[in-house]
Amino acid sequence: GAGVSQSPSNKVTEKGKDVELRCDPISGHTALYWYRQSLGQGLEFLIYFQGNSAPDKSGLPSDRFSAERTGGSVSTLTIQRTQQEDSAVYLCASSLVGQGTQYFGPGTRLLVL
Amino acid sequence: GIQVEQSPPDLILQEGANSTLRCNFSDSVNNLQWFHQNPWGQLINLFYIPSGTKQNGRLSATTVATERYSLLYISSSQTTDSGVYFCAVERNSGNTPLVFGKGTRLSVIA
Repeated sequence: GAGVSQSPSNKVTEKGKDVELRCDPISGHTALYWYRQSLGQGLEFLIYFQGNSAPDKSGLPSDRFSAERTGGSVSTLTIQRTQQEDSAVYLCASSLVGQGTQYFGPGTRLLVL
Repeated sequence: GIQVEQSPPDLILQEGANSTLRCNFSDSVNNLQWFHQNPWGQLINLFYIPSGTKQNGRLSATTVATERYSLLYISSSQTTDSGVYFCAVERNSGNTPLVFGKGTRLSVIA
């Protein structure tokens, strides 16, 4: 597609349930990033992929968070046993190797009740 | 880690006015981007500007890397310019995560 796409757009879940968020990067972009924006907060980095490997997972807030990327394209961010503090907008970005410009998707708005 | 500070945190403008938004960063950077987050939450790329000056219509940006700051200029503001403007920097060379400032919330009133 022309831009980064994410699904679902919105997700409401109950505390304790698992959720999966999907990101489709721009075709040909080998670098993929997940960020989180909590209400009233700035954007914080979660995890970065180069191809299918994740050289930097330093932003994942707990072991309930995991992510994978397959085929050097689609990525899935999984949150297990969701907590209310996980409520946020989860943003995905992609970029070309060797170029710094990151392009962001529209985000997934997660609400944990 | 690297610190990114944006000022002012909030700005209210009359339509047609000009403004300057500032971004200070605490270390050398390889990449600096300005984004506009619209009311629907979409982050829109404005500039990739690790150094120098760029212009795009009513917007322009200047980064002085040696002095660790960047400026975003908005001229003849319009109500559609409203939203949050973020500055983000990339510390290392290559593809690495961006560190974001807390943003400047701009409201342009008719």
